[in-house]
Amino acid sequence: TQLLEQSPQFLSIQEGENLTVYCNSSSVFSSLQWYRQEPGEGPVLLVTVVTGGEVKKLKRLTFQFGDARKDSSLHITAAQPGDTGLYLCAGEGFGGAQKLVFGQGTRLTINP
Amino acid sequence: NAGVTQTPKFQVLKTGQSMTLQCAQDMNHEYMSWYRQDPGMGLRLIHYSVGAGITDQGEVPNGYNVSRSTTEDFPLRLLSAAPSQTSVYFCASRVQGVYNSPLHFGNGTRLTVT
Repeated sequence: TQLLEQSPQFLSIQEGENLTVYCNSSSVFSSLQWYRQEPGEGPVLLVTVVTGGEVKKLKRLTFQFGDARKDSSLHITAAQPGDTGLYLCAGEGFGGAQKLVFGQGTRLTINP
Repeated sequence: NAGVTQTPKFQVLKTGQSMTLQCAQDMNHEYMSWYRQDPGMGLRLIHYSVGAGITDQGEVPNGYNVSRSTTEDFPLRLLSAAPSQTSVYFCASRVQGVYNSPLHFGNGTRLTVT
């Protein structure tokens, strides 16, 4: 069974600070996806990283896929209250039915 | 532009009761799945389907049944509800056969079993 460990599980910081969320596994994934979830809604895809060492930027959010394709990170620069939410990473294996395995999530709160 | 629609949004059951959580998608996705979300556990896969007539178990299938008679619908049945099944349930679909395609989620069903 492939497992994804996210850290930290909870993070509360002040507006303007930087932060990094980590997603780690002992398994190799074909790709990793990051989702964001608002209260009362389903998760929504932010980005997919597919190549080892890949870096993708989405405005103030930077996503990185580890060289060995076992880990990923999400870095937010100058966090804003609108970044508050639950962030989930999800890994896709090789072959098979394309099941996605999710991490436990990081609940991020940005205080004004 | 409906996407994935789940009903009901909230449900309270007594232990031993049965019910069906409905899920429908209008994107012609062959892959559909059910997850449950519990605090500190992330999303755990219950059952999934890669097309009409084909279903398979995820990591936490016990106590749940599914069927897939059409591409659009993927209902989840609780045969005899237990308090351990109190959770938020999400249905999700994606394009089958295309790696890295995103999962499209419904807005969830919050189920409480007393």
